[in-house]
Amino acid sequence: KNEVEQSPQNLTAQEGEFITINCSYSVGISALHWLQQHPGGGIVSLFMLSSGKKKHGRLIATINIQEKHSSLHITASHPRDSAVYICAVLIQGAQKLVFGQGTRLTINP
Amino acid sequence: GAVVSQHPSWVICKSGTSVKIECRSLDFQATTMFWYRQFPKQSLMLMATSNEGSKATYEQGVEKDKFLINHASLTLSTLTVTSAHPEDSSFYICSARLLGTARETQYFGPGTRLLVL
Repeated sequence: KNEVEQSPQNLTAQEGEFITINCSYSVGISALHWLQQHPGGGIVSLFMLSSGKKKHGRLIATINIQEKHSSLHITASHPRDSAVYICAVLIQGAQKLVFGQGTRLTINP
Repeated sequence: GAVVSQHPSWVICKSGTSVKIECRSLDFQATTMFWYRQFPKQSLMLMATSNEGSKATYEQGVEKDKFLINHASLTLSTLTVTSAHPEDSSFYICSARLLGTARETQYFGPGTRLLVL
């Protein structure tokens, strides 16, 4: 079992829909990252969380440390949100990130 | 936010040649840089961790003589794929950790796509 599990693996939705991507992890962490990777390959760091909730534009990220769970929400989704979204955790005491397998999101016009 | 650049963004080379990829932190100093590779439709795989002025730490299964990493300054790390072969074709991504901040702050480069013919 992977230390970081994302769901769903693939998600297709219509423009305007509210999107939720989930990330669960099984180890103690000091931080969790949400990353976005577009088809061209470049990775953009969306959020870094260690507790609570963060919001940036139409994106919202939450984390529940006790439940070892994080969610990424996209409101009023748009075709340009189509990308792979990756959850990555920094394990306590470690230097390197552990990545989830990614969620491929497709937003149709 | 902090910017990490990579050069080149694309490289096509013949089998047997060596390829150097540069990773720069443009507006900050990085304590640590990470090198990842990614195969199609797979997640990032850490290859090595490099700290400025010291030898890189390679992950299990990554050949250090094949993938040479140099971290000469706080803003530059290089990955050299020596005697490249078609199976080295991949997407290589670097990441930099910001000096003077929490360990968790990490920024990613745009990646370098390598195709070995």
